Amino acid sequence: SQQGEEDPQALSIQEGENATMNCSYKTSINNLQWYRQNSGRGLVHLILIRSNEREKHSGRLRVTLDTSKKSSSLLITASRAADTASYFCATHTNAGKSTFGDGTTLTVKP
Amino acid sequence: DVKVTQSSRYLVKRTGEKVFLECVQDMDHENMFWYRQDPGLGLRLIYFSYDVKMKEKGDIPEGYSVSREKKERFSLILESASTNQTSMYLCASSLYSGGTTNTEAFFGQGTRLTVV
Repeated sequence: SQQGEEDPQALSIQEGENATMNCSYKTSINNLQWYRQNSGRGLVHLILIRSNEREKHSGRLRVTLDTSKKSSSLLITASRAADTASYFCATHTNAGKSTFGDGTTLTVKP
Repeated sequence: DVKVTQSSRYLVKRTGEKVFLECVQDMDHENMFWYRQDPGLGLRLIYFSYDVKMKEKGDIPEGYSVSREKKERFSLILESASTNQTSMYLCASSLYSGGTTNTEAFFGQGTRLTVV
């Protein structure tokens, strides 16, 4: 599998439900970032978590990082139709290399 | 409001043409990046630059070159466009903070290039 690989590839939920996306990676990282992309647009930064952090919150977003398992998760609580988008994790190493995964496509049905 | 602007949203070019994709940022960022995005392959780094006139190859530089004559502008050049360069191209910038990837990146809206 690739560095910064998201799981699942696609997720469909009802408005109000929580959405959880996972990201696995292979090498040691300096930080991991989550981005959101609306269809056909550029990416928007959501949250950055450093390798010495375990959890971060930003509004309805909660990100966890487990460096022992080389994995991260993004939780969106109380989802809204406007959260429909693709979500990418990007891993960044101390050598300055960054790798994006394929993304998880989230559909929130009203 | 921070802004990264790419010169075109959609572009159609012929095989063999020299193509210029322009990117301008107004945040005084040191780092600038060019990615291409293809289904099933995620975002792949083509080139990046951490200073004026500096450039570094990313993962897939073949067939591309870049130019950074001014801090705010980073240009991607397809020397001789080919059909396998049909893709979405994304420019990004970030602040230098002890490394090229330690801070959030701001992306442009993307340029969908079709080479026919």
